[in-house]
Amino acid sequence: DTEVTQTPKHLVMGMTNKKSLKCEQHMGHRAMYWYKQKAKKPPELMFVYSYEKLSINESVPSRFSPECPNSSLLNLHLHALQPEDSALYLCASSSPGLAGGDTQYFGPGTRLTVL
Amino acid sequence: AQTVTQSQPEMSVQEAETVTLSCTYDTSESNYYLFWYKQPPSRQMILVIRQEAYKQQNATENRFSVNFQKAAKSFSLKISDSQLGDTAMYFCAFMKALAGSYQLTFGKGTKLSVIP
Repeated sequence: DTEVTQTPKHLVMGMTNKKSLKCEQHMGHRAMYWYKQKAKKPPELMFVYSYEKLSINESVPSRFSPECPNSSLLNLHLHALQPEDSALYLCASSSPGLAGGDTQYFGPGTRLTVL
Repeated sequence: AQTVTQSQPEMSVQEAETVTLSCTYDTSESNYYLFWYKQPPSRQMILVIRQEAYKQQNATENRFSVNFQKAAKSFSLKISDSQLGDTAMYFCAFMKALAGSYQLTFGKGTKLSVIP
């Protein structure tokens, strides 16, 4: 089973709202990722959590706040977003250190629209 | 820094025919991984095939195979017997084989349309 789930599928929010995106995997993976993808572009890495610790933050604005409450769950808290933050947000997971563990498995994404 | 180049922004193929998508990359690393992902209009990024750089044998997954030329830094994807469900954006991606290295470098993608 290589399933990563994301909720919600779609989210529309105003610039003053606070919302959260959720990602879950039950594959025992110990690395989890957030990517941002604009239309017709490749995904751009935002954050990496390894063993529940933030290991990479790609200079993402503070209005995006990641959280990894446990090894299966990854959240992305959103606050005071701008219209240019509208995009598809993808979550992925992998199991580094194991054979084949470099492979990242992606969730279906959350389509975010900021009004 | 690594770069990945996909020189074909769009391609089309007749159903049941064969198509090859090209990918080149630039790196000074000797050990790394290469991937092809597909992203249908449904949005989910799906792993198509994976290649370890130290393996000379080209990876194969059913109708999908790669032509990995390490010296030329080339990693093309061949899709045989194309099906309508193969219509998608295809991304080539590179990852260094380092402990604690998690970063995928993606190409800009090739939009493939399979025509009935």
